[in-house]
Amino acid sequence: EDQVTQSPEALRLQEGESSSLNCSYTVSGLRGLFWYRQDPGKGPEFLFTLYSAGEEKEKERLKATLTKKESFLHITAPKPEDSATYLCAVRSQETSGSRLTFGEGTQLTVNP
Amino acid sequence: SAVISQKPSRDICQRGTSLTIQCQVDSQVTMMFWYRQQPGQSLTLIATANQGSEATYESGFVIDKFPISRPNLTFSTLTVSNMSPEDSSIYLCSVRQENSYEQYFGPGTRLTVT
Repeated sequence: EDQVTQSPEALRLQEGESSSLNCSYTVSGLRGLFWYRQDPGKGPEFLFTLYSAGEEKEKERLKATLTKKESFLHITAPKPEDSATYLCAVRSQETSGSRLTFGEGTQLTVNP
Repeated sequence: SAVISQKPSRDICQRGTSLTIQCQVDSQVTMMFWYRQQPGQSLTLIATANQGSEATYESGFVIDKFPISRPNLTFSTLTVSNMSPEDSSIYLCSVRQENSYEQYFGPGTRLTVT
């Protein structure tokens, strides 16, 4: 059974204070790791897909990296508008169709 | 990416009643999904909505409780039947195009059962 664990559960940063969020996964044959951002009362917003170890993707202040066991979402010089819950999900070769297994998320708060 | 809308955005329902949630996409999509997000928890897939055939349900979810329709490539409905307070959740639809594995989510329907 696919498992995804995100840490920390919650993170408070000062504006400009860089940090990283972790997503550890256990799957049988990774077929994609996905990062989403979710604002309160809204649906998840797609950020990145990573497929193989060593792959990196960047978007503004965010950079996602992938190893064989975990993914990191690095946030450089965050701003208050980066405050949200960040979700990680995996798709494995064993899951039917396109089922994604989600982690519990990291709730990020960036204080001005 | 596709623009996805859901109706209603929120509702408060009485125990024992049913609610149908609509998901509309502004373009044809290959696959549509329904997820549940219980308070303080992450997303759990309920079922894949198949166009022209019965939905494919995940373990722990059954058609009698969560009937799903998908009459065409841009629209789907999820009904939450015989509701109990435990059904209070956010219900989300998502879509995926044929040549991509990314899923894009609608804004969600916040359901409270009293």
